[in-house]
Amino acid sequence: DGGITQSPKYLFRKEGQNVTLSCEQNLNHDAMYWYRQDPGQGLRLIYYSQIVNDFQKGDIAEGYSVSREKKESFPLTVTSAQKNPTAFYLCASSQGYAGYTFGSGTRLTVV
Amino acid sequence: DAKTTQPNSMESNEEEPVHLPCNHSTISGTDYIHWYRQLPSQGPEYVIHGLTSNVNNRMASLAIAEDRKSSTLILHRATLRDAAVYYCILMYNNNDMRFGAGTRLTVKP
Repeated sequence: DGGITQSPKYLFRKEGQNVTLSCEQNLNHDAMYWYRQDPGQGLRLIYYSQIVNDFQKGDIAEGYSVSREKKESFPLTVTSAQKNPTAFYLCASSQGYAGYTFGSGTRLTVV
Repeated sequence: DAKTTQPNSMESNEEEPVHLPCNHSTISGTDYIHWYRQLPSQGPEYVIHGLTSNVNNRMASLAIAEDRKSSTLILHRATLRDAAVYYCILMYNNNDMRFGAGTRLTVKP
């Protein structure tokens, strides 16, 4: 079955450390996205990529970085510059106007 | 700026129809109207989308006003599994979707 795989499901990070969240899709979608969700809130766009080797900042890109070296993969790095990284992170992909497919998310906690 | 306006919460009884409204008065001619729903601790799930005409699929129906400034997601018979946060979203370019706070639907048995 085609879909999006996010790993790990739960992640704990010490303050001052960088951490990378994985997102892989086998849907052959061109576009991929990263969103952040805080408790009781909607999703906020961090970064998106419409094609390989190209990506754009979303509304809350500060403290995050991404790469898009392969069509299937769009990893997100949460850097030490992100002041409040504890959140639920969602990856998605899309093709045209057909709608987005989301992964099951990674819950990041800073300890 | 919020592109869509939805009520914060709604309640429904099980097996009754539910009409979830969404206002999008600043919609442009090329904006598609998308609906997603999200269960707790899960990623959002695509429900339906449309441009001008009403749309039906196995999950729901989408009724779009003639002036396209509002739309309504219709669940024909609500079940307990339909309890979720429902998001109405305008896709205003090909690949760039912003989510608002959505409507939290509670379904009572």
